[in-house]
Amino acid sequence: AQKVTQAQTEISVVEKEDVTLDCVYETRDTTYYLFWYKQPPSGELVFLIRRNSFDEQNEISGRYSWNFQKSTSSFNFTITASQVVDSAVYFCALSEANTGFQKLVFGTGTRLLVSP
Amino acid sequence: DAGVIQSPRHEVTEMGQEVTLRCKPISGHDYLFWYRQTMMRGLELLIYFNNNVPIDDSGMPEDRFSAKMPNASFSTLKIQPSEPRDSAVYFCASSLGFGVDWTEAFFGQGTRLTVV
Repeated sequence: AQKVTQAQTEISVVEKEDVTLDCVYETRDTTYYLFWYKQPPSGELVFLIRRNSFDEQNEISGRYSWNFQKSTSSFNFTITASQVVDSAVYFCALSEANTGFQKLVFGTGTRLLVSP
Repeated sequence: DAGVIQSPRHEVTEMGQEVTLRCKPISGHDYLFWYRQTMMRGLELLIYFNNNVPIDDSGMPEDRFSAKMPNASFSTLKIQPSEPRDSAVYFCASSLGFGVDWTEAFFGQGTRLTVV
């Protein structure tokens, strides 16, 4: 069965620090997608990135970067030079081919607190 | 597009009452999802529809919960009778199914339900 583990419940950093949020997944499917969503204090879920299981290239988007390693079943998220506005709960999620990639299984989330 | 629209944003009801949550997906999206978020269980998928047809309702907790999608632009999640343990944030999301134009799930702002 599919499972997503975010072992870090809460991380506190000071502004401008770099921070990495860990995500480990389990799946029997060879074809799947991994996602990161952000949930700011206002409560909505904001999509950040989607990565398929055949693409292990790291991705960088501004201060955000993602490291996908199939060998360790991990899809970690790094924020460089964190800012107060990055304070949110971040969710990693997985969808598999056997559900048409539609059924998202979420991790429990990591709460990031960035203080000035 | 205005995004996924949920109503009401907040609902407080007494135990035993019927509660109906509403969702308008993004126009053109053919998948619609209902998720529930609680502190104890995190984000869990309750049910999803494809082209207005329920595909997987295995996450619906009990017979007290029901969901309908009478047309492509409207869905409801009903709880009858409601219980205090149903208190949660309920999210609706929509997406365009897997294919060339596949999109990730876009989430509404959620309905915070409190059952007293």
